[in-house]
Amino acid sequence: DAKTTQPTSMDCAEGRAANLPCNHSTISGNEYVYWYRQIHSQGPQYIIHGLKNNETNEMASLIITEDRKSSTLILPHATLRDTAVYYCIVKGQTGANNLFFGTGTRLTVIP
Amino acid sequence: GAGVSQSPSNKVTEKGKDVELRCDPISGHTALYWYRQSLGQGLEFLIYFQGNSAPDKSGLPSDRFSAERTGGSVSTLTIQRTQQEDSAVYLCASSSGGWGGAQYFGPGTRLTVL
Repeated sequence: DAKTTQPTSMDCAEGRAANLPCNHSTISGNEYVYWYRQIHSQGPQYIIHGLKNNETNEMASLIITEDRKSSTLILPHATLRDTAVYYCIVKGQTGANNLFFGTGTRLTVIP
Repeated sequence: GAGVSQSPSNKVTEKGKDVELRCDPISGHTALYWYRQSLGQGLEFLIYFQGNSAPDKSGLPSDRFSAERTGGSVSTLTIQRTQQEDSAVYLCASSSGGWGGAQYFGPGTRLTVL
């Protein structure tokens, strides 16, 4: 599975959009991009995933570049409850069945 | 609907004792995963069950760790002769199976070995 690179930390003002970047330049054609988050003292929470098209659900939007080498998770109106560590994970059909959680991005939403 | 549940939420034990941790996956999910997370660390994969296939045990750190999944549903993770380094949050996740699906995590069991 391809390796991902994320900034260590980011801040976002409450009510503003939070844009979390992820680089995955070695991604291959059959690998999905997944986003999870982990709020302090809780289990990881699935947010969204996509292959090559942009995706949107009730939690967030996922924008994947045309070459698929990077993506951005967008939380349109960040709230204090969105403060968490956000993980970008690339996973394909082959290889290990588990998800590899790297260090992620620690997002702090500021009042 | 109901999510993944785990019990107990907290477990304190003495070094050398055995412990059992339970996971109830989302109904109908065929895939089940165990991970652990030590304080301030990332998630570490332990074991994966998919349907009736042989489990992927590649992440188990030692032979003191074992897991079973009965009837394709509930799973139990057993740690024998616990050591202080086993202290961690043990997380269970389930998915509908097949690749490309999301994993849904339980709240975890915090294990403390004194």
